[in-house]
Amino acid sequence: LAKTTQPISMDSYEGQEVNITCSHNNIATNDYITWYQQFPSQGPRFIIQGYKTKVTNEVASLFIPADRKSSTLSLPRVSLSDTAVYYCLVGDGRVVWAAGNNRKLIWGLGTSLAVNP
Amino acid sequence: IAGITQAPTSQILAAGRRMTLRCTQDMRHNAMYWYRQDLGLGLRLIHYSNTAGTTGKGEVPDGYSVSRANTDDFPLTLASAVPSQTSVYFCASSDSGEDLYGYTFGSGTRLTVV
Repeated sequence: LAKTTQPISMDSYEGQEVNITCSHNNIATNDYITWYQQFPSQGPRFIIQGYKTKVTNEVASLFIPADRKSSTLSLPRVSLSDTAVYYCLVGDGRVVWAAGNNRKLIWGLGTSLAVNP
Repeated sequence: IAGITQAPTSQILAAGRRMTLRCTQDMRHNAMYWYRQDLGLGLRLIHYSNTAGTTGKGEVPDGYSVSRANTDDFPLTLASAVPSQTSVYFCASSDSGEDLYGYTFGSGTRLTVV
């Protein structure tokens, strides 16, 4: 199973860039890396997904080194509204629930990011 | 707005009672999921459905049942609620079971079993 390790919590200030690193040493060839954001009393929200190198969208950037054993979510110029829990997931959803397949997505506890004024 | 609608938003339920949590999506996603989220344990999969007419068990299926009569609806039933089922329940969906574009989650149902 592709388990991930990320810091339990992080603190930042408005306007700073925040980098959250996730370790996934046993990532498989078909696995993608996906990050979600969750605000209190809401369901997780998809932020970004990647397979290798760098992916950027309007919200964040995702950096994945060549060995893919870790990834870094980068949030540019955070604001108070970015205070949330961030989850790193590794898995190939296309085969996760096939009959007899034991692979599954493990959510973990995420990283609680606090952005201060 | 396209997405997932869950009902009720919250509920206090007496132990031993039966309850169905409703989940409806309007994105025509093939796959749907039910998760529970508990403090210190994170999100855990209860049941899933890869397509209408099929369902499967996730990590913590005991005490829960699901059905998938059509693409849009995926209700979760607690046949006889117990206090350990106190949790926040999230319904989610994804396109064709693929993770390429991630899951879409509902806003959750906060259930308290007393």
